[in-house]
Amino acid sequence: AQSVTQPDIHITVSEGASLELRCNYSYGATPYLFWYVQSPGQGLQLLLKYFSGDTLVQGIKGFEAEFKRSQSSFNLRKPSVHWSDAAEYFCAVAPADYGQNFVFGPGTRLSVLP
Amino acid sequence: DTGVSQDPRHKITKRGQNVTFRCDPISEHNRLYWYRQTLGQGPEFLTYFQNEAQLEKSRLLSDRFSAERPKGSFSTLEIQRTEQGDSAMYLCASSLTVSSYEQYFGPGTRLTVT
Repeated sequence: AQSVTQPDIHITVSEGASLELRCNYSYGATPYLFWYVQSPGQGLQLLLKYFSGDTLVQGIKGFEAEFKRSQSSFNLRKPSVHWSDAAEYFCAVAPADYGQNFVFGPGTRLSVLP
Repeated sequence: DTGVSQDPRHKITKRGQNVTFRCDPISEHNRLYWYRQTLGQGPEFLTYFQNEAQLEKSRLLSDRFSAERPKGSFSTLEIQRTEQGDSAMYLCASSLTVSSYEQYFGPGTRLTVT
């Protein structure tokens, strides 16, 4: 069965610092990979996705993620965090041949210090 | 494009009561999904519709849960004989068939069963 782990439940960074949120997945083949952000009272918003090709993908709000097949990882990064980035971040996977059944990780809550 | 909307945003009910939630997807989206999200967890897939047809149901969707999308537009999720374990955020998402991996989420309905 597919599974997604996000080892960090809560991360705190200072504004302007760099950020990396970790995501590891377990799946028999390379799935499609996603990062979503959820702000309080808001729906989940898609930050970026990886289907194939270049393993470094760019997303919205200055985020990027790198797919590493050998490590079954899809870590999210941002070079300089803004206070408005404080939110919950979810990594998700979907099987490449049947995409409806997304599997989400437990999320990482990001706090940003001024 | 007004986005995915859900109603109500919050619902408090007593155990044993029935509740119904509504989701209005983005107008041209023919796929509609329901997820459940409990505190500290990522969303869990419940079911999805292609137009009015319910094509997949998770085993999380017990027989107390029923979802409909009668005219292929809005959808309802009903929970009968609610239990305290049903307390969660219920999320709706929609997508186009051709880009079903790009799901747009609503703000959710938070259910509290007392």
